Amino acid sequence: DAKTTQPPSMDCAEGRAANLPCNHSTISGNEYVYWYRQIHSQGPQYIIHGLKNNETNEMASLIITEDRKSSTLILPHATLRDTAVYYCIATQTGANNLFFGTGTRLTVIP
Amino acid sequence: DAGVIQSPRHEVTEMGQEVTLRCKPISGHNSLFWYRQTMMRGLELLIYFNNNVPIDDSGMPEDRFSAKMPNASFSTLKIQPSEPRDSAVYFCASSQGHLALRDTQYFGPGTRLTVL
Repeated sequence: DAKTTQPPSMDCAEGRAANLPCNHSTISGNEYVYWYRQIHSQGPQYIIHGLKNNETNEMASLIITEDRKSSTLILPHATLRDTAVYYCIATQTGANNLFFGTGTRLTVIP
Repeated sequence: DAGVIQSPRHEVTEMGQEVTLRCKPISGHNSLFWYRQTMMRGLELLIYFNNNVPIDDSGMPEDRFSAKMPNASFSTLKIQPSEPRDSAVYFCASSQGHLALRDTQYFGPGTRLTVL
């Protein structure tokens, strides 16, 4: 799996968009970008994934740069319940080991 | 759908005792994963099964750890004998994916193990 780099922490005002960056400059052509989050004392929760096109679901949007070296997870209207550690993972199809790294601790401020 | 079910949620035991953690994956999922999370090492994959068969156990720390999946709806992770350094939160996850396809993993609530 390609190494990913994320800022250790971020703050976001409640109701505003939270934009969480991830750098994966060594990503290979068959590696997907996955985002999970872990709310305190819970198991990790899948958010979204993509290969090269931007993706959107009911939880978030994923913007992947054209060169695929970085991506941004967007929570369009952050709530207090979005406070969590967010993990960006670049991983090959066919592999099953998700390397979570240290993630970004997002704090949504009232 | 009840999601991935783990038991117990909390376990406190003394060094040297046997510990058994249990997991029921989501019905219809054919891959099952055991992870361990500590402050020092973060989330680490211990072992995963596909169609009840262990595929990769390279993350299992040592012979004191063993995992079984006797059927599609049940798995155990056993530590014998337990040591204080085994204290961690142990997560079970399952997915629909098969060997050739990466798929979303759904995690259980975890078992918080404390070994005194």
